[in-house]
Amino acid sequence: AQKVTQAQTEISVVEKEDVTLDCVYETRDTTYYLFWYKQPPSGELVFLIRRNSFDEQNEISGRYSWNFQKSTSSFNFTITASQVVDSAVYFCALSEETSGSRLTFGEGTQLTVNP
Amino acid sequence: EAQVTQNPRYLITVTGKKLTVTCSQNMNHEYMSWYRQDPGLGLRQIYYSMNVEVTDKGDVPEGYKVSRKEKRNFPLILESPSPNQTSLYFCASRLFGGPYNEQFFGPGTRLTVL
Repeated sequence: AQKVTQAQTEISVVEKEDVTLDCVYETRDTTYYLFWYKQPPSGELVFLIRRNSFDEQNEISGRYSWNFQKSTSSFNFTITASQVVDSAVYFCALSEETSGSRLTFGEGTQLTVNP
Repeated sequence: EAQVTQNPRYLITVTGKKLTVTCSQNMNHEYMSWYRQDPGLGLRQIYYSMNVEVTDKGDVPEGYKVSRKEKRNFPLILESPSPNQTSLYFCASRLFGGPYNEQFFGPGTRLTVL
């Protein structure tokens, strides 16, 4: 069964600090897909990134970067030089090739960036 | 503009009074799904649909019904709502092509059952 764990319920940082959000997943499939979504205070869910299980390259997009490590079943998300606008709930999610109908979310991490 | 719409956005109702939350997408997506979001639990899938007239249960289907008579619409029906169904509900859609396709989410419906 697929499972996603985000052990950090809440993180609070001061603006310009770097922050890493952890995501650990469980799956028996060899082909699977990992996602990160952002939920700002306004409530909508915004897609940030997708990774497939065969692509372990780290990705950087501006101040955002993602570290995918199959050896530790982790897909961590780092925000560099955080800003107040980064304050949101962040969700990690997993979809397996064999059960492609399901997208399993982690519990979410509430990030608060203080000025 | 490509989008998923939900109505209503906010709803307060009483126990046992049937309600329907509508969901519509204009992206010609085959796959649609409903989730509920509760504090500390993330989003959990209620029902999903692979295409017209094809629906199946997700992780938490009890107390909910869905239908998919048209490709663009996927309403969520609560025939006899109870207080434990108070939650934030999201509808989502994606191309059927594969689970690698990201899901596009509606704005959410905040439901309170008294």
